[in-house]
Amino acid sequence: EPEVTQTPSHQVTQMGQEVILRCVPISNHLYFYWYRQILGQKVEFLVSFYNNEISEKSEIFDDQFSVERPDGSNFTLKIRSTKLEDSAMYFCASSLQGPVNSGYTFGSGTRLTVV
Amino acid sequence: ELKVEQNPLFLSMQEGKNYTIYCNYSTTSDRLYWYRQDPGKSLESLFVLLSNGAVKQEGRLMASLDTKARLSTLHITAAVHDLSATYFCAVVAPSDKLIFGTGTRLQVFP
Repeated sequence: EPEVTQTPSHQVTQMGQEVILRCVPISNHLYFYWYRQILGQKVEFLVSFYNNEISEKSEIFDDQFSVERPDGSNFTLKIRSTKLEDSAMYFCASSLQGPVNSGYTFGSGTRLTVV
Repeated sequence: ELKVEQNPLFLSMQEGKNYTIYCNYSTTSDRLYWYRQDPGKSLESLFVLLSNGAVKQEGRLMASLDTKARLSTLHITAAVHDLSATYFCAVVAPSDKLIFGTGTRLQVFP
């Protein structure tokens, strides 16, 4: 069964450093998403991406965050200057036609620890 | 703005017992998901509910949807230890993003 692949599985970074989280969505999917989950809390929407541009972003997704699909296969989330409160599990997801029509597939997640 | 609430937040139950987790949401939605999450792991899709009255069953878990009441339930029958996990409902918002509930942490003991 096709999978959404995320790397790395765990990243530790110092406060103020830039991190890039990588995702390889399912190859024929058109809609891409990032979610995050602070330890012990619910999953929160960050951003959706379709047709090479952001469709929607949440209040969490401020100027420190950016997304890119640099080469047609990878989908990246960049945090420019990490803060302690950015520590969380970050999940990438992709969908063929959007979740109303075709559902989501989540990746295994990247655990980001900011120290 | 769409809000999704689950209860209970924590459920400790004995093996063999039955229980129901509730998921309420505040505005109309076309699709509702139930996910399972084991500690430190990703989200495993359990059920997708598409229409009013939809009922789906897989093993000891059964999910239902009442769109008029904006309520979904996840019923656990004769719980076993392997069902211990956190369960989330998630509702598709008009903009196609998922809004998750707070999660229900289920612990099944002998």
